[in-house]
Amino acid sequence: SQQGEEDPQALSIQEGENATMNCSYKTSINNLQWYRQNSGRGLVHLILIRSNEREKHSGRLRVTLDTSKKSSSLLITASRAADTASYFCATGRTGNQFYFGTGTSLTVIP
Amino acid sequence: DTEVTQTPKHLVMGMTNKKSLKCEQHMGHRAMYWYKQKAKKPPELMFVYSYEKLSINESVPSRFSPECPNSSLLNLHLHALQPEDSALYLCASSPGSNTEAFFGQGTRLTVV
Repeated sequence: SQQGEEDPQALSIQEGENATMNCSYKTSINNLQWYRQNSGRGLVHLILIRSNEREKHSGRLRVTLDTSKKSSSLLITASRAADTASYFCATGRTGNQFYFGTGTSLTVIP
Repeated sequence: DTEVTQTPKHLVMGMTNKKSLKCEQHMGHRAMYWYKQKAKKPPELMFVYSYEKLSINESVPSRFSPECPNSSLLNLHLHALQPEDSALYLCASSPGSNTEAFFGQGTRLTVV
């Protein structure tokens, strides 16, 4: 399978807490991306980190990438109820294609 | 315009029908994608078009036939589908390699 593995599969936290999701993959990559999906509809791109980068920030999001361990993490700080969604990592390869991980379902309780 | 537009939003078709899904973007993106997503599963890559040419086919059955008539439009022609093909079909586009992708809202397909 081309998929990455994410853990945890499901995460439930209180509003204001931080949420951390992890992604592991098996092949070499050009980049790793994180997407959010609400209610099984379209995906929204959150952040892209290239293979030569180790950390990236965007607002309340912090992404790390460790290519030696083939793993990435997404941290959402000060979570809000509106952050409730499924989160997917996606590994970008040559030739434009990218493959999604198994996903983490995040529930933020108000 | 930063949208990827997919039509129809919902489609119910019989196993002997022929139908088409349509995807449109006007962002000048040169790569376009079809993904299939079953309930509670991640999206699975089906096809990639780069500069209007098919560059990736992930061993998709021939009952799914993609077409890229021009740089803004991507179609997925459906014929003789099975009930297990019922899923959310997502279209996406990106400027090129090593860049983010923009997704449409998907077509929810039910095969009866």
